[in-house]
Amino acid sequence: DAMVIQNPRYQVTQFGKPVTLSCSQTLNHNVMYWYQQKSSQAPKLLFHYYDKDFNNEADTPDNFQSRRPNTSFCFLDIRSPGLGDAAMYLCATSFLGGYGYTFGSGTRLTVV
Amino acid sequence: QQQVKQSPQSLIVQKGGISIINCAYENTAFDYFPWYQQFPGKGPALLIAIRPDVSEKKEGRFTISFNKSAKQFSLHIMDSQPGDSATYFCAASMRGNEKLTFGTGTRLTIIP
Repeated sequence: DAMVIQNPRYQVTQFGKPVTLSCSQTLNHNVMYWYQQKSSQAPKLLFHYYDKDFNNEADTPDNFQSRRPNTSFCFLDIRSPGLGDAAMYLCATSFLGGYGYTFGSGTRLTVV
Repeated sequence: QQQVKQSPQSLIVQKGGISIINCAYENTAFDYFPWYQQFPGKGPALLIAIRPDVSEKKEGRFTISFNKSAKQFSLHIMDSQPGDSATYFCAASMRGNEKLTFGTGTRLTIIP
């Protein structure tokens, strides 16, 4: 089945220790998104890619970076995680010009 | 202008009853209105969506009602079941800017 796959499902990292979350898709969608979702809140957009074009949201902290080496993969790098970065991180994909996202199951990040 | 307001924040409905969640938007350029269902520890999943050229869309027990003049849309869940217990997010987007604007979410609990 075509889908959006996030790894790992759960990630525990130490305060200040860089961490990378990954997302892959078999839908051949040209847009990929990274969202941060904290408990009982709506997802908050961090970045998105139209193909290789990177788009950063104005309020995304500099601590967060992203890479999209090819159409299928996208990575979220958190350079120095703080306690406030503990959240569910969601990857989503869509077609440019189309409607509707497909979300992955998310990575639950815990910072200790 | 980009906000989508969602109510109620939480909702408890008896099994077999009708669950109703409401959303209102401001930006008249929005032309796609999806609803997402999210279970704990999972990513949001597209439930049903509507375009503003129709006033209602039904898929099984789920119906979206859309009022373009009032800039409001709502989700109705008929014959609500315990398995419908989840958080529901309304959202909106527009062609040319595929980023979804999410509502704040409604936590729905169906009691026996």
